[in-house]
This record gives sequence, C-alpha cells and structure tokens, in this order.
Amino acid sequence: QSALTQPASVSGSPGQSITISCTGTSSDLGGNNYVSWYQQYPGKAPKLMIYDVSIRPSGVSNRFSGSKSGNTASLTISGLQAEDDGDYYCSSYTGSSTVFGTGTKVSVL
Amino acid sequence: EVQLEQSGAEVKKAGEFLKISCKGSGYIFSTYWIGWVRQIPGKGLESMGIIYPDDSDTRYSPSFQGQVTISVDKSISTAYLQWSSLKASDTAMYYCARLRGTYAGDPFNIWGQGTMVTVSS
Repeated sequence: QSALTQPASVSGSPGQSITISCTGTSSDLGGNNYVSWYQQYPGKAPKLMIYDVSIRPSGVSNRFSGSKSGNTASLTISGLQAEDDGDYYCSSYTGSSTVFGTGTKVSVL
Repeated sequence: EVQLEQSGAEVKKAGEFLKISCKGSGYIFSTYWIGWVRQIPGKGLESMGIIYPDDSDTRYSPSFQGQVTISVDKSISTAYLQWSSLKASDTAMYYCARLRGTYAGDPFNIWGQGTMVTVSS
C-alpha cells in the first residue's frame, strides 16, 4: 500500500486560515470515513486532532476542522497561531491496515 | 489517567534480537487494540500493525508482515514489538499507540513516548 499524498509544506501568517490536502484512492481514503489527522511537534509523539473525517476529540481547538470529497480529505486550521507550527499527518484505514500520509510541515510566518 | 509507558532506548548491532515493550495503564488493557508506528529520523509515520490483547488477534501492515512480531501479555498489560535479526534500516523511533475504540480502523488516540532503536552495521 502506498502512503497518502500530502503537500510537503504549507505556511500562513497568524490569524489566517490554511488547508492541508490528503489524497488517496478508492481503496483507502475514498472508500470509507475512517480519516484522521495528527499533529506532531519535533521530538514528541503525535496527537490526534480529527477522526472520522471531521470529529474533534475532546480538548482539541475548534479552529481545526476536517472534510472529505471523493479521494481527497482536507484539514483546515483557521485563525492560525504560533502553536500550530508543526508536522501534520493524515491517515486512513484500508480495510486491513492503517496508512498514513506523507506529512505536511506547517509554518506560521 | 490513560497512559502507555514504553521501554527505554536501545543500541544494538545488525543481526541481533530485540524486543521492546509498551505497558498500558488507566484503562482495561484487554479491550482496546494497540499498535506500533515507526518513524525513521526525519521521515513520516508508518503503521506497522495492531493487536487485540483479549484474543491476540494481530493485523500486520503489508510492508511489515514477516519483518517483525507483535505480541502481548495481557496479564501484565504489556504489548511487545520484536525483531529476530535487526538490520541497520530498522534504526527509527517506535511508538506504541492505543486505538480510540474497539474497531481495527479506529484512530490512534493514546500514544507512548516512543522508543528509539539504533542499529549499527
């Protein structure tokens, strides 16, 4: 199975909104709603930010939102803040295993 | 508090055996899938496989099938990841992580602190 495709980097100024895309196939992301997003700071374990396409776990800011259309999922961060600087990974379930995206480095300018 | 505590960093030689551990606490260990995720330095996340502690049902990601063994001892709430013969390419950070629910497709919502494995050739 191949990794889901994400842009290598996305940047924005504080207060702006950014969107990270995650492209898969009908065998993974496009075939179900088991799409999740993780945030990772350098040297730290990942943190679940969105699951089942658009659900935020308790404690995650409502500035983070998720959506999906066809074989592409998206994570939008609105009102960008310095603390959003980090790496973001999407993931999807293929029916037999989980596949992660290639990762996106978010830079807050 | 739900926690996963991983064993410490390892420095090994190619060809050696290694088994690292992940101990769960604060929840009923046997009723949640637990998995392992590899992260090569400077690279992305890769799901290696998951195991259901209650019956040891194990699902490996295709890239890791036959390369590692995932096991569990539910009596001590501990999951394991082992290699019979390490390679230099196994050098990476390994995270254990618990799934959010009882379905194998659920996301990883609780993560261990990671175990760094360094293999010299």
